[in-house]
Amino acid sequence: DTEVTQTPKHLVMGMTNKKSLKCEQHMGHRAMYWYKQKAKKPPELMFVYSYEKLSINESVPSRFSPECPNSSLLNLHLHALQPEDSALYLCASSQVPSGTVTNTGELFFGEGSRLTVL
Amino acid sequence: DAKTTQPTSMDCAEGRAANLPCNHSTISGNEYVYWYRQIHSQGPQYIIHGLKNNETNEMASLIITEDRKSSTLILPHATLRDTAVYYCIVRDAGGYQKVTFGTGTKLQVIP
Repeated sequence: DTEVTQTPKHLVMGMTNKKSLKCEQHMGHRAMYWYKQKAKKPPELMFVYSYEKLSINESVPSRFSPECPNSSLLNLHLHALQPEDSALYLCASSQVPSGTVTNTGELFFGEGSRLTVL
Repeated sequence: DAKTTQPTSMDCAEGRAANLPCNHSTISGNEYVYWYRQIHSQGPQYIIHGLKNNETNEMASLIITEDRKSSTLILPHATLRDTAVYYCIVRDAGGYQKVTFGTGTKLQVIP
């Protein structure tokens, strides 16, 4: 199984709603990522988890709250979002890079969750 | 991670080789070159990576110059399904997970 599965594929929410995006992988990867992508722009890194612990937070506003409950799951909790937060949210996973030729941590991406904030 | 520079867009005739260049003049010795592509409205897809030797897999070939300051991704026989944005990324393989995408090259394969 080489898939990263993201749900839901589409989400519409109001600015006062609380919702969550979910990501799941069964490749045994211990690094998981959230990216945000606006239209016609490259993906922007938001968060990185390594061994279920938050290792990188790219100064993301607190209205985005990541959670990694176990090695296969990654959530992104959304609360009090703004219309400018509307975007494609991408989840990825990888082996934790070890610097060897056979493990250099290439990322496997899901298809994304398209979020619209009204 | 070192910064990369890629042309904004390129066209390629179907069936011909597509050669996508990338400059990474500040690459350091322990940084690998990775290529990903993103077909419209899908998640990015890993293509290939290399350190200093040329690499080939079922999708593409990667040619890295001897000084490692630039590389070229080659799709040997481009098809319409290869139309996508191609991202070149350099990254310290041992260190880490801050994988940053540049603006990429929009490749249009023309029938």
